[in-house]
Amino acid sequence: EPEVTQTPSHQVTQMGQEVILRCVPISNHLYFYWYRQILGQKVEFLVSFYNNEISEKSEIFDDQFSVERPDGSNFTLKIRSTKLEDSAMYFCASSEANEQYFGPGTRLTVT
Amino acid sequence: GESVGLHLPTLSVQEGDNSIINCAYSNSASDYFIWYKQESGKGPQFIIDIRSNMDKRQGQRVTVLLNKTVKHLSLQIAATQPGDSAVYFCAENENTGNQFYFGTGTSLTVIP
Repeated sequence: EPEVTQTPSHQVTQMGQEVILRCVPISNHLYFYWYRQILGQKVEFLVSFYNNEISEKSEIFDDQFSVERPDGSNFTLKIRSTKLEDSAMYFCASSEANEQYFGPGTRLTVT
Repeated sequence: GESVGLHLPTLSVQEGDNSIINCAYSNSASDYFIWYKQESGKGPQFIIDIRSNMDKRQGQRVTVLLNKTVKHLSLQIAATQPGDSAVYFCAENENTGNQFYFGTGTSLTVIP
């Protein structure tokens, strides 16, 4: 069964550093998403991406965040200058229509 | 400072019993709802969805009920199994966009 994959599974970085979280969506999907889940809190929408551009973003997704689909398979989330409060699980998801398939997540720890 | 996490509602059921998990949503304009299951260390997994033009939808061992009058959603799991132990949460969406709003979740523990 096809699945969304994410790398790395755990990323530790120092405050102020840039990080890139990587995702490989399911190959025939057209819609891509990033979510985050701070420990013990709700899953929060960050951004959706379709047809090589951002289709919707939340208030969390400020100028420090960017997404890119650099080739036909990868979908990346970049945080330019990480803050302590960026520590969370980051989930990528993809969909063909409404049903979103989530990856296993990347745990980002900012120290 | 210490971050404050949400205290998840918990539900414990005996194996074989039926489980009912509830969710209240706030946006009366939401017209599409999904139930997700999240096991420890994994991403959310789609279980079942329902649109606002329906009040009930059934899947394999699961049923979702939607009451738009009181903005309430429930997930019923029949013959609950140990593998059903997870956090369950609902997500709502206005069909005008891609943004889903997730609930806080309910932690289900199935006792063998």
